[in-house]
Amino acid sequence: GAVVSQHPSRVICKSGTSVKIECRSLDFQATTMFWYRQFPKQSLMLMATSNEGSKATYEQGVEKDKFLINHASLTLSTLTVTSAHPEDSSFYICSARADSNRSYNSPLHFGNGTRLTVT
Amino acid sequence: GDSVTQMEGPVTLSEEAFLTINCTYTATGYPSLFWYVQYPGEGLQLLLKATKADDKGSNKGFEATYRKETTSFHLEKGSVQVSDSAVYFCALNLAGGFKTIFGAGTRLFVKA
Repeated sequence: GAVVSQHPSRVICKSGTSVKIECRSLDFQATTMFWYRQFPKQSLMLMATSNEGSKATYEQGVEKDKFLINHASLTLSTLTVTSAHPEDSSFYICSARADSNRSYNSPLHFGNGTRLTVT
Repeated sequence: GDSVTQMEGPVTLSEEAFLTINCTYTATGYPSLFWYVQYPGEGLQLLLKATKADDKGSNKGFEATYRKETTSFHLEKGSVQVSDSAVYFCALNLAGGFKTIFGAGTRLFVKA
């Protein structure tokens, strides 16, 4: 159980275009999902916390107009990278914690990540 | 502030060698502690966890004990396999909080 599906796994786009990444919790509901960015050989950087039915909470230094987050349902959050530039190339990972187990003792469940390459 | 520090990699071992990856944390209160593993090209998966002092988490031959007196949660395995090659992340959830704080990750290479 507790599967998070992230799509696409890889995407290549041209500079200036927009790319949408989907994150779905397949067998649980998640009011809150998290979006991370991972640079090569580095740790996870939390970009934003996605909240169902309300605005996302962005971490300091993350441009909310560039990284649009929509959490339209209890099982789906999307991250759209707008007007992509080569420096946006990275590995993006989403995660969620089941609503039925929101204790701080419970772990995060991660998607398999999306490798974005902007040419 | 709250943080997780883990040993820098990469760590390179021969098959069947003993593994230790050190992890220490700084946090107020009593956090829950986790080890996550990331295989190449994939997202992270939970490896093990411990939620209170002296708890031992274990899974797939890996173990880690929550040591409050030394604020540590070191990961150990008695005999590593090539398939254990991955990046290992130590992490904590703050009591009453919702965010997870990750260490920098330690890359492990196991040679046959």
